[in-house]
Amino acid sequence: GQQLNQSPQSMFIQEGEDVSMNCTSSSIFNTWLWYKQEPGEGPVLLIALYKAGELTSNGRLTAQFGITRKDSFLNISASIPSDVGIYFCAGQLDGGTSYGKLTFGQGTILTVHP
Amino acid sequence: ETGVTQTPRHLVMGMTNKKSLKCEQHLGHNAMYWYKQSAKKPLELMFVYNFKEQTENNSVPSRFSPECPNSSHLFLHLHTLQPEDSALYLCASSQDLTGTTDTQYFGPGTRLTVL
Repeated sequence: GQQLNQSPQSMFIQEGEDVSMNCTSSSIFNTWLWYKQEPGEGPVLLIALYKAGELTSNGRLTAQFGITRKDSFLNISASIPSDVGIYFCAGQLDGGTSYGKLTFGQGTILTVHP
Repeated sequence: ETGVTQTPRHLVMGMTNKKSLKCEQHLGHNAMYWYKQSAKKPLELMFVYNFKEQTENNSVPSRFSPECPNSSHLFLHLHTLQPEDSALYLCASSQDLTGTTDTQYFGPGTRLTVL
């Protein structure tokens, strides 16, 4: 089956630093999603990407859908303590029975020191 | 608050017990999902329902039995579980299964511990 390789597995940064994480896949996806999960909560959607090459921002977050459709990255600029959490990438194929079936990465645990 | 609620939030059960997890969504969606989240592993899709009909069973053992009585409610019935079934069980919902841009909204999860 499809697998997503997300890196890094964890990051320890100082407040104000920029953060970058990425996901690569052995096969293509038509949709890339980035979620954040805080302790005791379910994942919350941050950014959705639907076209190869697409670059989308949401406040201090920026994500890109790779041209090959096999990768995506997420950048967080000027990190703040509330950015702490686990960030997941997820990919989805289109069409037929593929809708609704997300493949998730292993997650990146982000710790921000004040 | 995502509009998807799950009860209970925590559950401890023995291997011979029978229990049920409940999920309710207040978003008017038609598709609902069960995921399993284990430590250091990616979220695993278990079941998908669309308009109350099961459309996906991702090779889940029969000791997990889902039920979707209507588009707003989803249950996961548990019996004779194993300790390795201990995990966070997440419910999600989306508008339906017909669009690329269909976004899944997650509940807070039920933390299950099997003794």
